[in-house]
Amino acid sequence: DVKVTQSSRYLVKRTGEKVFLECVQDMDHENMFWYRQDPGLGLRLIYFSYDVKMKEKGDIPEGYSVSREKKERFSLILESASTNQTSMYLCASSLAGLALHEQYFGPGTRLTVT
Amino acid sequence: GEDVEQSLFLSVREGDSSVINCTYTDSSSTYLYWYKQEPGAGLQLLTYIFSNMDMKQDQRLTVLLNKKDKHLSLRIADTQTGDSAIYFCAESADSGGYQKVTFGTGTKLQVIP
Repeated sequence: DVKVTQSSRYLVKRTGEKVFLECVQDMDHENMFWYRQDPGLGLRLIYFSYDVKMKEKGDIPEGYSVSREKKERFSLILESASTNQTSMYLCASSLAGLALHEQYFGPGTRLTVT
Repeated sequence: GEDVEQSLFLSVREGDSSVINCTYTDSSSTYLYWYKQEPGAGLQLLTYIFSNMDMKQDQRLTVLLNKKDKHLSLRIADTQTGDSAIYFCAESADSGGYQKVTFGTGTKLQVIP
């Protein structure tokens, strides 16, 4: 079974802090994704990566950056957290294709910025 | 931008059929999806349908797509208490090298024993 893990289930940070959200997959998948999920807005793609050190902007990249130094790990970085970044963050990975049905999701990290 | 709408809540009795509805606006959708999310768990892909299909059946699940009306539905036969969860509809379309995905806001299904 594919396993996508996220470093924290719940995180509370202060405004202005630098925040790292980590995601690890154990199935040698090429592609990894970061989404945020908000009530009333559904799931929105922040960034994705199709290879080590490669990244592409999704629909809402502003205020975020990503890092993929190793194939199995994809980090989402909030350089200076703001209250409007309070959200559920979901990581996903896929073997080769980019279609949604090929992606496996992690359990999510609920981030609260105070 | 593209929009996907669902009703927020549905309550059914155990053993009855559930029908969750979804409407979308993107006429260039490639795939349409149904996901299930249980409390504390990630998104679980239930089923998906290619946009040129009308219907897909998978055990207790039936997906109907009316492309003309941009309406997607998920029917769960013989609904069980374990089906209680939030169900998300989503559509994806080609967008310059990746699949742009739009999710609905989710329908919370409550199954009454």
